[in-house]
Amino acid sequence: QKEVEQNSGPLSVPEGAIASLNCTYSDRGSQSFFWYRQYSGKSPELIMFIYSNGDKEDGRFTAQLNKASQYVSLLIRDSQPSDSATYLCAVKGSSASKIIFGSGTRLSIRP
Amino acid sequence: DTGVSQNPRHKITKRGQNVTFRCDPISEHNRLYWYRQTLGQGPEFLTYFQNEAQLEKSRLLSDRFSAERPKGSFSTLEIQRTEQGDSAMYLCASSLARAYLNYGYTFGSGTRLTVV
Repeated sequence: QKEVEQNSGPLSVPEGAIASLNCTYSDRGSQSFFWYRQYSGKSPELIMFIYSNGDKEDGRFTAQLNKASQYVSLLIRDSQPSDSATYLCAVKGSSASKIIFGSGTRLSIRP
Repeated sequence: DTGVSQNPRHKITKRGQNVTFRCDPISEHNRLYWYRQTLGQGPEFLTYFQNEAQLEKSRLLSDRFSAERPKGSFSTLEIQRTEQGDSAMYLCASSLARAYLNYGYTFGSGTRLTVV
């Protein structure tokens, strides 16, 4: 079992709709959870982090964390073509000082 | 200091040659990480430093890889006797870690290595 799992996609969403990206993790003691956006040929860019169960909103982005289900999600409202990218879920485990990344979900926003 | 700087941006080398990459982190960040990313995969952890101390090294990392961070400032990653399987994007990141939380990394632009 991979430590951090994501569907590779591609996920195709019409412009203006809500994009929903999901991630599960294996270490039940994980403490910190991150979403990174990566455009093709570029390095990852941190867009959200969350530590507590529930929702955290930042502009058009909402991160959701459910530690009991070991599940993290990212919602993007009013999707724009510029949101087309690969979204990486990342988790800091209970005993680790490093962040473990999933393989990413490719998101495509169609006009 | 506006971000993490990596040099060179691209490196093409012949199999068997040694290569060295440099990373300059955000100055106030005490942690520096090296990751490797291949096409279609997420970044894979290689090693990290807190100040000048190398605190963890991936078990997947062969002895051909070595990293240093003298004086807790910039870091270098050296790959000896390169192999075609070393072709990847090498990413450096830095962070400011407090207590048991990690506020996430800031990545550099990466060094793309091609071994021919």
